[in-house]
Amino acid sequence: EVLLVQSGAEVKKAGESLKISCRVSGFNFANYWIAWVRLVPETGLQWMGIIYPGDSKTRYSPSFQGQVTISADKSINTAYLQWTSLKASDTAIYFCARPIRSAETIFRSIDNWGQGTLVSVFS
Amino acid sequence: QSALTQPRSVSGSPGQSVTISCNGTPSDIGYNGYVSWFQHHPGKGPKLMIYDVTKRPSGVPDRFSGSKSGNTASLTISGLQADDEADYYCSSCAGSCVFGGGTKLTVL
Repeated sequence: EVLLVQSGAEVKKAGESLKISCRVSGFNFANYWIAWVRLVPETGLQWMGIIYPGDSKTRYSPSFQGQVTISADKSINTAYLQWTSLKASDTAIYFCARPIRSAETIFRSIDNWGQGTLVSVFS
Repeated sequence: QSALTQPRSVSGSPGQSVTISCNGTPSDIGYNGYVSWFQHHPGKGPKLMIYDVTKRPSGVPDRFSGSKSGNTASLTISGLQADDEADYYCSSCAGSCVFGGGTKLTVL
């Protein structure tokens, strides 16, 4: 069974750093891209970026480039999303997800999602 | 502002059908056949309901169907049931995925 299990909810102050995790099982982590997706109720889902754990190649959406860092540790089948200085506007639910690939870096859909990590940032 | 435009809410009574629209552009919905729909119950991860415009993953009932015309995709849910009440998101993928703002389905 494919599982993506995320770390628990976080409450942080603006300016603090944070790293949330996504531990996967049921498939070869190194051979699948893992995406991070943000959910803000007012605006819906947003694709943040992806990582290929096999070689740690990453691609960021322009809106999130420089704002977050995506990383992975294939020895423990875990992907990470981190901030160095949180803002109140980072308050959201963050999902890790496994895109379905149709070609090298072309995706068809997303077939598995984590349960989400709620990040609340107060100023 | 979301890349794809969905109605904020739709509603229907048990047994009825509802259709949720998803408006995009020639650069996303109209570009290829990689349109998906996700069901999201609060506190859980989204669930893939439709992919490649019309295909259902194993386990998704055939009450859920998808279609596309030009730059607009649609999700139709027939025979509404209480546990269909959720948020529904459309997406269009290629090098990355863009999503709609979500539609809250209320089963009256």
